[in-house]
Amino acid sequence: DIQMTQSPSSLSASVGDRVTITCRASQGISNNLAWYQQKPGKVPKLLIYAASTLQSGVPSRFSGSGSGTYFTLTISSLQPEDVATYYCQKYNSAPWTFGQGTKVEIK
Amino acid sequence: QVQLVESGGGVVQPGKSLRLSCAASAFSFSTYGMHWVRQAPGKGLEWVAVIGFDGSNIYYIDSVKGRFTISRDDSESTLYLQMNSLRVEDTAVYYCTRARRLRAGGKDAFDIWGQGTMVSVSS
Repeated sequence: DIQMTQSPSSLSASVGDRVTITCRASQGISNNLAWYQQKPGKVPKLLIYAASTLQSGVPSRFSGSGSGTYFTLTISSLQPEDVATYYCQKYNSAPWTFGQGTKVEIK
Repeated sequence: QVQLVESGGGVVQPGKSLRLSCAASAFSFSTYGMHWVRQAPGKGLEWVAVIGFDGSNIYYIDSVKGRFTISRDDSESTLYLQMNSLRVEDTAVYYCTRARRLRAGGKDAFDIWGQGTMVSVSS
């Protein structure tokens, strides 16, 4: 099975900072990669699919890039409401594996 | 609005069974692949099972193969997860989710999530 590895596992940044989270697949998955945001005590929410396509209603400060085995999620200007855990996920074939998550906090 | 509502969770002893249900509303349920995802307390997301829009393309994570069965009733717009021989490590919130694209065999991101139902396996 393809493994999904996120880094870092947690980060702390200031409001307004640019934040980047990486996700690596152990084998190529083309652009079959999604990013989710899960705020504390809440249901996960789809942010980005097809590696770089913003889901409807998601603020434009979120962006995704990458293909094959290396992907990034960038928050261009961190806001207090972005405090959450972020997960990448592959969906090209079973199993639909998630990364272990990256917890984002405000410094 | 488009909605998924899970039910059926609870506290159960190891080795027992539970059946989870997920009622869909405000979209054409029969045209979407559907998944179950779980999250153990304080842990990350773990994909569990998928069923294609036509009831084919059924897959499971290795740890539940032979114990869990995913199914759907399109006439009732309901997704199910039959969980047998439950183990302590199955304790989690179970989410029902929809694959984004129509008729894509479930191979897409999950755009709609239910609120989750808690399953606790304990003696």
